[in-house]
Amino acid sequence: DIQMTQSPSSLSASIGDRVTITCRASQGISTYLNWYQQKPGKAPKVLIYAASSLQSGVPSRFSGSGSETDFTLTVSGLQPEDCATYYCQQIYSFPWTFGQGTKVEIK
Amino acid sequence: QVQLVQSGSELKKPGASVKISCKASGYRFTDYAMNWVRQAPGQGLEWMGFINTNTGNPTFAQGFTGRFVFSMDTSVSTAYLQINSLETEDTAIYYCARLVGDSFVWFDPWGQGTLVTVSS
Repeated sequence: DIQMTQSPSSLSASIGDRVTITCRASQGISTYLNWYQQKPGKAPKVLIYAASSLQSGVPSRFSGSGSETDFTLTVSGLQPEDCATYYCQQIYSFPWTFGQGTKVEIK
Repeated sequence: QVQLVQSGSELKKPGASVKISCKASGYRFTDYAMNWVRQAPGQGLEWMGFINTNTGNPTFAQGFTGRFVFSMDTSVSTAYLQINSLETEDTAIYYCARLVGDSFVWFDPWGQGTLVTVSS
């Protein structure tokens, strides 16, 4: 199985800050990488697919980059509504696996 | 709009079975596979597998074979997850999620989740 490791596990940032979350795959996965946002008590929602494609309706302050084993999710200008847990997911090979999540809090 | 609506919370005893439903609307049900994802209390997301809604063929992740059953009823655009011989470790929120895309795929949307609590 491909292991997905996110860092950090949690972070605290101020409104307007640039926030970066990293996701590392245990083997190369090209750009078969998605990012999801899960707010407390809610279902996850896709933000980014294919490593860097922004899902329709998602604010442009979210962006994704990377390939093979190293990926990043960036929030350019953190907003109060971005308080959530973020998960990466590889869909390169079965079983599809998620990272352990990164919890983003507002200072 | 595209929507997945899941059945309500369940409280079951160990050894019992549970069947969760996921009703799709706003699109042709058989055009997209349906995934199932588990989230244990306070934990992350775990992909369980999916059902090909065109053929009914299921694909299971390791660890979700044997006691887990994916089924569907295309006449009511609904996918089902059944868990047999429930264990306390099955206590979790279970989500259905539509599989979209072609060479690159992702889950969108997700159902609201169904909490299954297994306790004696």
